Amino acid sequence: GENVEQHPSTLSVQEGDSAVIKCTYSDSASNYFPWYKQELGKRPQLIIDIRSNVGEKKDQRIAVTLNKTAKHFSLHITETQPEDSAVYFCAAFLGGGYNKLIFGAGTRLAVHP
Amino acid sequence: NAGVTQTPKFQVLKTGQSMTLQCAQDMNHEYMSWYRQDPGMGLRLIHYSVGAGITDQGEVPNGYNVSRSTTEDFPLRLLSAAPSQTSVYFCATTPGRSYEQYFGPGTRLTVT
Repeated sequence: GENVEQHPSTLSVQEGDSAVIKCTYSDSASNYFPWYKQELGKRPQLIIDIRSNVGEKKDQRIAVTLNKTAKHFSLHITETQPEDSAVYFCAAFLGGGYNKLIFGAGTRLAVHP
Repeated sequence: NAGVTQTPKFQVLKTGQSMTLQCAQDMNHEYMSWYRQDPGMGLRLIHYSVGAGITDQGEVPNGYNVSRSTTEDFPLRLLSAAPSQTSVYFCATTPGRSYEQYFGPGTRLTVT
């Protein structure tokens, strides 16, 4: 079936460094790719998303890139801060049906002061 | 607006008991979904609804029932709880012409 693989599962960086999380998806008809941030005990919050007709999108310190040919997309966080510490999930919206978001397993990011 | 609300916040059940997790929204969103979140596995879609009276199965529907009699409410029923259903359950809504999902605060369920 359709799946989304996410790497790495854990990521530890020093404050001010960059962090990169990568995801691959299997359904070539997928056309929407959101990223969610989840703090401990909280609900997932959308931080950035990208549609299939765009290769890159940036919002302040975060950016997402999409390579549809290779079926992978990445989240880039620059100038990391301790408050960026959380679990990050990528997801892919399956084509041809409603609202079937398939999530990756998550990346636990720790930013050390 | 309250957004998406879920009750209860926490619940402990014994194996074989039944219960209903409630989800309500006041944003008039057409689409509603239920996910479960287990450690190390991300969120998995259980059931979803594209509007009142219409529901469909997601990735992991077994052991769960849903109904959508109104736009506002989308309850999730566990008919006979099993320890494998111990998880955190999130309800989410989506406006009709959007992909963005709005998540509720979650329900932490433990089945002993």
